[in-house]
Amino acid sequence: NAGVTQTPKFQVLKTGQSMTLQCAQDMNHNSMYWYRQDPGMGLRLIYYSASEGTTDKGEVPNGYNVSRLNKREFSLRLESAAPSQTSVYFCASSENVGPDYTFGSGTRLTVV
Amino acid sequence: KQEVTQIPAALSVPEGENLVLNCSFTDSAIYNLQWFRQDPGKGLTSLLLIQSSQREQTSGRLNASLDKSSGRSTLYIAASQPGDSATYLCAVNPQGGADGLTFGKGTHLIIQP
Repeated sequence: NAGVTQTPKFQVLKTGQSMTLQCAQDMNHNSMYWYRQDPGMGLRLIYYSASEGTTDKGEVPNGYNVSRLNKREFSLRLESAAPSQTSVYFCASSENVGPDYTFGSGTRLTVV
Repeated sequence: KQEVTQIPAALSVPEGENLVLNCSFTDSAIYNLQWFRQDPGKGLTSLLLIQSSQREQTSGRLNASLDKSSGRSTLYIAASQPGDSATYLCAVNPQGGADGLTFGKGTHLIIQP
């Protein structure tokens, strides 16, 4: 099925470890996003990429880096994980901001 | 900074009732507003999009309205069903570019059979 694919679905890290969350979309969308969702906080934008080759900070970028590898793929890297980064991470893509705003199913990350 | 508030945070009603979910935003200079549905452990599904120039949008039993000047939107669900149980999220697009959306914290809805 067409859509946004995130890997892994679940991950447990120890404090200080690094990891990369992968995201790929097959809808030929220009824009891609990373959000985190925390209880009582709603979804908050971490980074976004308006088009291939560009990335920009969102509301909560500290502790993260991103790479727009090509038009399909947008990865999120935690260089030194902290317990405060325990969250559910969602990747999304869109051509324009409209009905085709498509979310992945999320990565549940726990940092201990 | 744009802030989006959703009331109520949780709602439980018997099947068949009509209900209204509320969303308010602090900066009326929005490009559009979207309502999403999120099922437990799943991603978000877009339900309705209202452009800033529009007053309402309808899809099946769902109707969303927008009053930009007062910073309010409502999602009306008619003849609710147990399958409507989910969390409903309101999100605004501040500028119309690809800068991402600003979300409310959601309304957790339970429809009792």
